Amino acid sequence: AQSVTQLGSHVSVSEGALVLLRCNYSSSVPPYLFWYVQYPNQGLQLLLKYTSAATLVKGINGFEAEFKKSETSFHLTKPSAHMSDAAEYFCAVSERGYGNKLVFGAGTILRVKS
Amino acid sequence: DADVTQTPRNRITKTGKRIMLECSQTKGHDRMYWYRQDPGLGLQLIYYSFDVKDINKGEISDGYSVSRQAQAKFSLSLESAIPNQTALYFCATSDQTDTQYFGPGTRLTVL
Repeated sequence: AQSVTQLGSHVSVSEGALVLLRCNYSSSVPPYLFWYVQYPNQGLQLLLKYTSAATLVKGINGFEAEFKKSETSFHLTKPSAHMSDAAEYFCAVSERGYGNKLVFGAGTILRVKS
Repeated sequence: DADVTQTPRNRITKTGKRIMLECSQTKGHDRMYWYRQDPGLGLQLIYYSFDVKDINKGEISDGYSVSRQAQAKFSLSLESAIPNQTALYFCATSDQTDTQYFGPGTRLTVL
């Protein structure tokens, strides 16, 4: 069965600092991996996804993530945090060809300090 | 206009009442999903549908039922609401790359 672990339910960074949100997954077959962002009182919005092309994936708003099979990780990074990045971030995994069900991590709330 | 819409956006109801949450999509996707979100638990899958004739239970289907009225419409019902069903509910659709597109959510409070 698939699972996702997001390390750190809350992460706090200063404006302009590096953002690093950690995600580890388990999957018995090659996965698709996703990061979603949820702003207050809104639904989830896709940030980026890995579907077996390049292992370094670039998304919206300057975010990127690297798929590392050996470490079963898909960490999300952004070189310089902005106040508008404050939100909750969810990592998710699906098993290709097994029905498009996503399994979500518990989420990481990112706080950006001025 | 939004691709995935949910009604109502907020609802307060009492224990024992039947309630229906509705979802419509204009993306033309066959696959639709209902999730609930609780703080610290992420999203949990309630039901999913791969087409009008295909309905499947998710992780936490007890106490819920669904109806897929058309490709574009997928409704979630709580037959007899209880307080621990107080949560944020999301509808989603997905494309062939498993990417899911979410509605804005319905905040449900059961008193």
